[in-house]
Amino acid sequence: DQQVKQNSPSLSVQEGRISILNCDYTNSMFDYFLWYKKYPAEGPTFLISISSIKDKNEDGRFTVFLNKSAKHLSLHIVPSQPGDSAVYFCAARESGAGSYQLTFGKGTKLSVIP
Amino acid sequence: SAVISQKPSRDICQRGTSLTIQCQVDSQVTMMFWYRQQPGQSLTLIATANQGSEATYESGFVIDKFPISRPNLTFSTLTVSNMSPEDSSIYLCSVAIGPGNQPQHFGDGTRLSIL
Repeated sequence: DQQVKQNSPSLSVQEGRISILNCDYTNSMFDYFLWYKKYPAEGPTFLISISSIKDKNEDGRFTVFLNKSAKHLSLHIVPSQPGDSAVYFCAARESGAGSYQLTFGKGTKLSVIP
Repeated sequence: SAVISQKPSRDICQRGTSLTIQCQVDSQVTMMFWYRQQPGQSLTLIATANQGSEATYESGFVIDKFPISRPNLTFSTLTVSNMSPEDSSIYLCSVAIGPGNQPQHFGDGTRLSIL
């Protein structure tokens, strides 16, 4: 049973437009959420995170939105650039002292078309 | 963030053999972890590597199959034992630098193929 779901395996967006990547979760104990970007033959690179006490976190072109009631988060990339083409993973962590385990989705492959 | 070096980057092995993967970090870190990513799947935590004591394994993973060492705060190894084709995956080391809401950082992974 997947606790973190990324229902879109792939997404294509024109350069300069907005990319929206979605993630749903089922575990109400998750309180910290992260997005990672992964290029081929490289490890996942941390992109942006959000705590459950917030509903939005912004870092340059990247914004993460969290809707706790819907158990849904999304990553917005504006404007999209060809270098953003990668696989994006959503991850979540449960609350609790000393809790480090991350639960990952299967990823969404983003292609930004020049 | 820490610089994480993982060796080897890839290998092709015969079934029944074992391979040890090394993870070296350029600074002392609180926690080190080992993940597996099977083809088309998400990253799955194998175990937490504990410095100076036995690793903590997740459900479905056992020490006999995936022995882990962590002799100090900057180094860990994962051994994949008695390999079969089902063990063909990417194996990734990750680290958590501090407590609280801190992201984990990953090495580039080891792509393992079993013939």
